[in-house]
Amino acid sequence: AQSVSQHNHHVILSEAASLELGCNYSYGGTVNLFWYVQYPGQHLQLLLKYFSGDPLVKGIKGFEAEFIKSKFSFNLRKPSVQWSDTAEYFCAVNERSNFNKFYFGSGTKLNVKP
Amino acid sequence: NAGVTQTPKFQVLKTGQSMTLQCAQDMNHEYMSWYRQDPGMGLRLIHYSVGAGITDQGEVPNGYNVSRSTTEDFPLRLLSAAPSQTSVYFCASGGPGQGNGYTFGSGTRLTVV
Repeated sequence: AQSVSQHNHHVILSEAASLELGCNYSYGGTVNLFWYVQYPGQHLQLLLKYFSGDPLVKGIKGFEAEFIKSKFSFNLRKPSVQWSDTAEYFCAVNERSNFNKFYFGSGTKLNVKP
Repeated sequence: NAGVTQTPKFQVLKTGQSMTLQCAQDMNHEYMSWYRQDPGMGLRLIHYSVGAGITDQGEVPNGYNVSRSTTEDFPLRLLSAAPSQTSVYFCASGGPGQGNGYTFGSGTRLTVV
């Protein structure tokens, strides 16, 4: 079975600091990769996704992620965070051959201090 | 607005009771899934469906049943609630194809006492 690891469980940053959240997955086949965000009390929303092509993908709200196949990684970045980015971030992977089976990481809680 | 609608938003059950969590989508999505979210564990797949009449188990199916009689609806049934099923439940839908990821509902917070 696949697994998704998010190494940072809780990150605290000041506004304008740069953000990088790590995500590694274990699966030898072809995968699709996603980052979702969950604001307090809300449901998950898609930030960005990678299916194929340019390994640097840009999402909403200034977020981007880079797929490094050799490292099985899909790290999320933002150059300058805002207080409104306070949320929990989930990395997710699914197999290209079985779209329904998403595997989620345990999440990273981001607190941005104003 | 189009989307995934879950009801109820909150529910308290006594151990041994049964109930159905409702999920409906109006986007003509072929894929639908149920997840549970527990602190520190991310989301875990309970059951999923690739179309009307077709369902399959995910990572943590025990204690839950599903059916998909229409494209729009994908109810999750708890047969005999246990305290271990206290969680937040999310329904999600996606498709056609793989292009757009999944759309999640707003969740049902279930407490079993």
